[in-house]
Amino acid sequence: ILNVEQSPQSLHVQEGDSTNFTCSFPSSNFYALHWYRWETAKSPEALFVMTLNGDEKKKGRISATLNTKEGYSYLYIKGSQPEDSATYLCAPQTGANNLFFGTGTRLTVIP
Amino acid sequence: KAGVTQTPRYLIKTRGQQVTLSCSPISGHRSVSWYQQTPGQGLQFLFEYFSETQRNKGNFPGRFSGRQFSNSRSEMNVSTLELGDSALYLCASSYEGGNGYTFGSGTRLTVV
Repeated sequence: ILNVEQSPQSLHVQEGDSTNFTCSFPSSNFYALHWYRWETAKSPEALFVMTLNGDEKKKGRISATLNTKEGYSYLYIKGSQPEDSATYLCAPQTGANNLFFGTGTRLTVIP
Repeated sequence: KAGVTQTPRYLIKTRGQQVTLSCSPISGHRSVSWYQQTPGQGLQFLFEYFSETQRNKGNFPGRFSGRQFSNSRSEMNVSTLELGDSALYLCASSYEGGNGYTFGSGTRLTVV
Protein backbone atom coordinates (compact mmCIF):
# COMPACT_ATOMS: atom_id res chain seq x y z
CA ILE A 1 0.00 0.00 0.00
CA LEU A 2 1.37 3.41 -0.99
CA ASN A 3 0.81 6.62 0.94
CA VAL A 4 -0.56 9.02 -1.66
CA GLU A 5 -1.42 12.55 -0.63
CA GLN A 6 -3.34 15.05 -2.68
CA SER A 7 -3.76 18.68 -1.78
CA PRO A 8 -5.84 20.61 -1.37
CA GLN A 9 -8.77 18.32 -0.56
CA SER A 10 -11.18 20.78 -2.11
CA LEU A 11 -10.98 24.01 -3.98
CA HIS A 12 -13.42 26.67 -5.16
CA VAL A 13 -12.29 28.99 -7.94
CA GLN A 14 -13.97 31.60 -10.08
CA GLU A 15 -14.52 30.95 -13.76
CA GLY A 16 -11.45 32.09 -15.66
CA ASP A 17 -9.04 31.55 -12.78
CA SER A 18 -6.07 29.23 -13.20
CA THR A 19 -5.40 26.67 -10.53
CA ASN A 20 -3.15 23.78 -9.62
CA PHE A 21 -3.15 20.75 -7.34
CA THR A 22 -0.43 18.56 -5.91
CA CYS A 23 0.01 14.80 -5.71
CA SER A 24 2.75 13.43 -3.43
CA PHE A 25 3.84 9.81 -3.45
CA PRO A 26 6.79 7.64 -2.39
CA SER A 27 9.51 7.85 -5.01
CA SER A 28 10.74 4.29 -4.52
CA ASN A 29 9.56 1.53 -6.89
CA PHE A 30 8.00 4.13 -9.16
CA TYR A 31 6.67 2.96 -12.51
CA ALA A 32 4.09 5.53 -13.66
CA LEU A 33 1.78 8.26 -12.44
CA HIS A 34 -1.83 8.44 -13.60
CA TRP A 35 -4.21 11.40 -13.38
CA TYR A 36 -7.96 10.94 -13.64
CA ARG A 37 -10.92 13.31 -13.67
CA TRP A 38 -14.07 12.07 -11.97
CA GLU A 39 -17.25 14.01 -12.55
CA THR A 40 -20.27 13.37 -10.39
CA ALA A 41 -22.42 10.46 -11.62
CA LYS A 42 -19.84 9.53 -14.25
CA SER A 43 -16.89 7.16 -14.49
CA PRO A 44 -13.33 8.29 -13.76
CA GLU A 45 -11.79 9.50 -17.01
CA ALA A 46 -8.09 9.08 -17.73
CA LEU A 47 -6.25 12.36 -18.27
CA PHE A 48 -2.56 11.51 -18.30
CA VAL A 49 -0.12 8.68 -17.75
CA MET A 50 3.42 9.86 -17.07
CA THR A 51 6.52 7.77 -16.56
CA LEU A 52 9.67 9.86 -16.93
CA ASN A 53 11.11 12.35 -14.47
CA GLY A 54 10.49 15.80 -15.87
CA ASP A 55 7.59 14.59 -18.02
CA GLU A 56 5.11 17.28 -18.93
CA LYS A 57 1.80 16.46 -20.59
CA LYS A 58 -0.93 18.73 -21.89
CA LYS A 59 -4.55 18.21 -22.91
CA GLY A 60 -6.31 21.42 -23.85
CA ARG A 61 -6.24 23.74 -20.84
CA ILE A 62 -5.02 20.99 -18.50
CA SER A 63 -1.38 20.09 -18.06
CA ALA A 64 0.66 18.02 -15.63
CA THR A 65 4.28 17.72 -14.58
CA LEU A 66 6.12 14.91 -12.86
CA ASN A 67 9.08 14.77 -10.50
CA THR A 68 9.88 11.15 -9.74
CA LYS A 69 13.01 11.89 -7.70
CA GLU A 70 11.15 13.87 -5.07
CA GLY A 71 7.84 12.09 -5.55
CA TYR A 72 5.35 14.68 -6.68
CA SER A 73 3.21 15.71 -9.61
CA TYR A 74 1.34 18.93 -10.30
CA LEU A 75 -1.87 19.29 -12.28
CA TYR A 76 -2.60 22.72 -13.73
CA ILE A 77 -5.84 24.04 -15.16
CA LYS A 78 -5.65 27.28 -17.09
CA GLY A 79 -8.73 29.50 -17.30
CA SER A 80 -11.04 27.20 -15.31
CA GLN A 81 -14.51 26.62 -16.72
CA PRO A 82 -17.62 25.29 -14.90
CA GLU A 83 -17.29 22.04 -16.83
CA ASP A 84 -13.91 21.50 -15.15
CA SER A 85 -15.74 20.94 -11.87
CA ALA A 86 -14.85 17.41 -10.82
CA THR A 87 -12.67 15.41 -8.47
CA TYR A 88 -9.14 15.02 -9.76
CA LEU A 89 -7.43 11.81 -8.73
CA CYS A 90 -3.80 10.87 -8.98
CA ALA A 91 -2.62 7.28 -8.84
CA PRO A 92 1.01 6.24 -8.74
CA GLN A 93 1.76 2.82 -10.07
CA THR A 94 4.52 0.59 -8.79
CA GLY A 95 6.09 -2.18 -10.82
CA ALA A 96 2.92 -4.21 -10.31
CA ASN A 97 -0.11 -3.40 -12.35
CA ASN A 98 -2.30 -1.93 -9.65
CA LEU A 99 -2.82 1.76 -9.04
CA PHE A 100 -2.86 3.39 -5.61
CA PHE A 101 -5.31 6.25 -5.69
CA GLY A 102 -5.21 9.37 -3.56
CA THR A 103 -8.47 10.70 -2.13
CA GLY A 104 -8.54 13.41 -4.76
CA THR A 105 -8.93 17.15 -5.04
CA ARG A 106 -12.51 18.26 -5.47
CA LEU A 107 -12.63 21.31 -7.74
CA THR A 108 -15.69 23.56 -8.00
CA VAL A 109 -15.61 26.30 -10.62
CA ILE A 110 -18.05 29.10 -9.83
CA PRO A 111 -19.58 30.80 -12.91
CA LYS B 1 -16.58 1.10 -29.40
CA ALA B 2 -18.50 -0.02 -26.33
CA GLY B 3 -17.08 1.05 -22.99
CA VAL B 4 -16.67 -0.92 -19.81
CA THR B 5 -20.02 -2.30 -18.69
CA GLN B 6 -20.82 -3.09 -15.10
CA THR B 7 -23.97 -4.81 -13.93
CA PRO B 8 -26.05 -4.29 -11.98
CA ARG B 9 -25.86 -0.54 -11.39
CA TYR B 10 -27.52 -0.72 -7.99
CA LEU B 11 -27.94 -3.53 -5.53
CA ILE B 12 -29.42 -3.87 -2.06
CA LYS B 13 -28.48 -6.91 -0.01
CA THR B 14 -28.94 -8.07 3.56
CA ARG B 15 -26.10 -8.75 5.99
CA GLY B 16 -24.84 -12.29 5.67
CA GLN B 17 -25.86 -12.68 2.05
CA GLN B 18 -23.45 -12.96 -0.83
CA VAL B 19 -23.31 -10.90 -4.00
CA THR B 20 -21.78 -11.21 -7.46
CA LEU B 21 -20.92 -8.19 -9.58
CA SER B 22 -20.09 -8.35 -13.25
CA CYS B 23 -17.71 -6.37 -15.44
CA SER B 24 -17.41 -6.59 -19.22
CA PRO B 25 -14.22 -4.87 -20.41
CA ILE B 26 -13.63 -3.04 -23.65
CA SER B 27 -13.22 -5.50 -26.49
CA GLY B 28 -9.57 -6.55 -26.73
CA HIS B 29 -8.71 -5.49 -23.19
CA ARG B 30 -7.25 -8.35 -21.19
CA SER B 31 -6.66 -6.72 -17.82
CA VAL B 32 -9.54 -6.06 -15.44
CA SER B 33 -9.06 -4.39 -12.07
CA TRP B 34 -11.60 -3.93 -9.30
CA TYR B 35 -11.77 -1.03 -6.85
CA GLN B 36 -13.92 -0.17 -3.85
CA GLN B 37 -14.85 3.34 -2.87
CA THR B 38 -16.42 4.14 0.48
CA PRO B 39 -17.28 7.65 1.73
CA GLY B 40 -14.16 9.60 2.62
CA GLN B 41 -11.84 6.97 1.17
CA GLY B 42 -9.96 6.93 -2.08
CA LEU B 43 -10.39 4.11 -4.51
CA GLN B 44 -9.09 1.00 -2.78
CA PHE B 45 -7.58 -1.68 -5.00
CA LEU B 46 -9.19 -5.10 -4.68
CA PHE B 47 -7.56 -7.25 -7.35
CA GLU B 48 -6.48 -7.41 -10.96
CA TYR B 49 -7.03 -10.21 -13.45
CA PHE B 50 -5.15 -10.76 -16.65
CA SER B 51 -5.81 -13.63 -19.05
CA GLU B 52 -7.97 -15.44 -16.49
CA THR B 53 -5.31 -15.25 -13.76
CA GLN B 54 -5.30 -13.09 -10.67
CA ARG B 55 -2.16 -11.06 -11.07
CA ASN B 56 -2.37 -8.71 -8.11
CA LYS B 57 -4.40 -8.55 -4.93
CA GLY B 58 -5.10 -5.72 -2.53
CA ASN B 59 -5.47 -5.84 1.21
CA PHE B 60 -9.03 -7.13 1.51
CA PRO B 61 -10.32 -10.14 3.46
CA GLY B 62 -10.89 -13.49 1.79
CA ARG B 63 -14.63 -12.77 1.60
CA PHE B 64 -13.78 -10.76 -1.51
CA SER B 65 -12.95 -12.92 -4.48
CA GLY B 66 -13.04 -12.67 -8.21
CA ARG B 67 -12.49 -14.47 -11.43
CA GLN B 68 -12.03 -13.78 -15.10
CA PHE B 69 -13.41 -15.75 -18.00
CA SER B 70 -11.83 -16.56 -21.35
CA ASN B 71 -13.65 -13.62 -22.98
CA SER B 72 -12.03 -11.32 -20.34
CA ARG B 73 -15.31 -10.65 -18.57
CA SER B 74 -14.78 -10.60 -14.85
CA GLU B 75 -16.92 -11.20 -11.81
CA MET B 76 -16.39 -10.14 -8.24
CA ASN B 77 -17.99 -12.00 -5.36
CA VAL B 78 -18.44 -10.89 -1.79
CA SER B 79 -19.60 -13.51 0.67
CA THR B 80 -21.10 -13.01 4.12
CA LEU B 81 -21.84 -9.35 3.50
CA GLU B 82 -21.21 -6.83 6.25
CA LEU B 83 -22.64 -3.33 6.60
CA GLY B 84 -19.17 -1.93 5.91
CA ASP B 85 -19.18 -3.51 2.46
CA SER B 86 -21.64 -0.86 1.34
CA ALA B 87 -19.71 0.99 -1.32
CA LEU B 88 -19.31 1.87 -4.96
CA TYR B 89 -17.47 -0.92 -6.76
CA LEU B 90 -15.68 0.10 -9.93
CA CYS B 91 -13.96 -2.04 -12.46
CA ALA B 92 -11.44 -0.82 -14.98
CA SER B 93 -10.03 -2.47 -18.06
CA SER B 94 -6.80 -2.07 -19.95
CA TYR B 95 -5.10 -3.86 -22.82
CA GLU B 96 -2.20 -5.07 -20.72
CA GLY B 97 -2.57 -3.11 -17.53
CA GLY B 98 -0.56 -0.09 -16.54
CA ASN B 99 -1.07 1.96 -19.66
CA GLY B 100 -4.19 3.80 -18.66
CA TYR B 101 -7.40 2.20 -17.54
CA THR B 102 -10.97 2.78 -18.68
CA PHE B 103 -13.48 2.65 -15.87
CA GLY B 104 -17.03 1.43 -15.83
CA SER B 105 -19.87 3.34 -14.21
CA GLY B 106 -19.75 1.17 -11.12
CA THR B 107 -22.12 -0.89 -9.04
CA ARG B 108 -23.44 0.76 -5.92
CA LEU B 109 -23.94 -1.90 -3.28
CA THR B 110 -25.97 -1.19 -0.16
CA VAL B 111 -25.94 -3.71 2.66
CA VAL B 112 -28.78 -3.42 5.14
